Amino acid sequence: DADVTQTPRNRITKTGKRIMLECSQTKGHDRMYWYRQDPGLGLRLIYYSFDVKDINKGEISDGYSVSRQAQAKFSLSLESAIPNQTALYFCATSDLDNSGANVLTFGAGSRLTVL
Amino acid sequence: AQSVSQHNHHVILSEAASLELGCNYSYGGTVNLFWYVQYPGQHLQLLLKYFSGDPLVKGIKGFEAEFIKSKFSFNLRKPSVQWSDTAEYFCAVSLYNTDKLIFGTGTRLQVFP
Repeated sequence: DADVTQTPRNRITKTGKRIMLECSQTKGHDRMYWYRQDPGLGLRLIYYSFDVKDINKGEISDGYSVSRQAQAKFSLSLESAIPNQTALYFCATSDLDNSGANVLTFGAGSRLTVL
Repeated sequence: AQSVSQHNHHVILSEAASLELGCNYSYGGTVNLFWYVQYPGQHLQLLLKYFSGDPLVKGIKGFEAEFIKSKFSFNLRKPSVQWSDTAEYFCAVSLYNTDKLIFGTGTRLQVFP
């Protein structure tokens, strides 16, 4: 089983619909992140959470919300999807490695298309 | 605002050619530096990282990167690329004492046999 699991892997929806992308991890990490990837723009941070009671906005949080239901679960919601939210979304977790560096482990991605 | 620049957006090489991908960041403080790789259809994986110590770091699959503090750079190199190195490469910077990673826009590498 994957360390970081994202569902759904692919989703096509219509403008105005509510969408939830789910992420679960088995690594026991406290830190979890949601990024979106767009061609030519790299990865941009949407939201991040350092523990269940800690939620922080990233670079591009407008139009998104998150929920940290448990240490292992971090969901991303689009309350009213719009076409420019069409992207590949990645969940990631992290912990400090032996050298003290914060190393991310990524999920396989959720491709969202908003028509 | 802090940023990470990858000036090479698309690189095309033949097998056995040497590779150097540029990465520059804009932040004057202490940083941790990373290169991640995304093979076609797969998620991002850590290629190598610099945290402290020797500025020349070696990663998986023969890749290495050199941190040059005076140039705010962390270029990725490989002496001889293979077809299997075809992927997208992302440079990332983590500011000291924070856990946020700032990514560059990525460089798409295509290696032809």
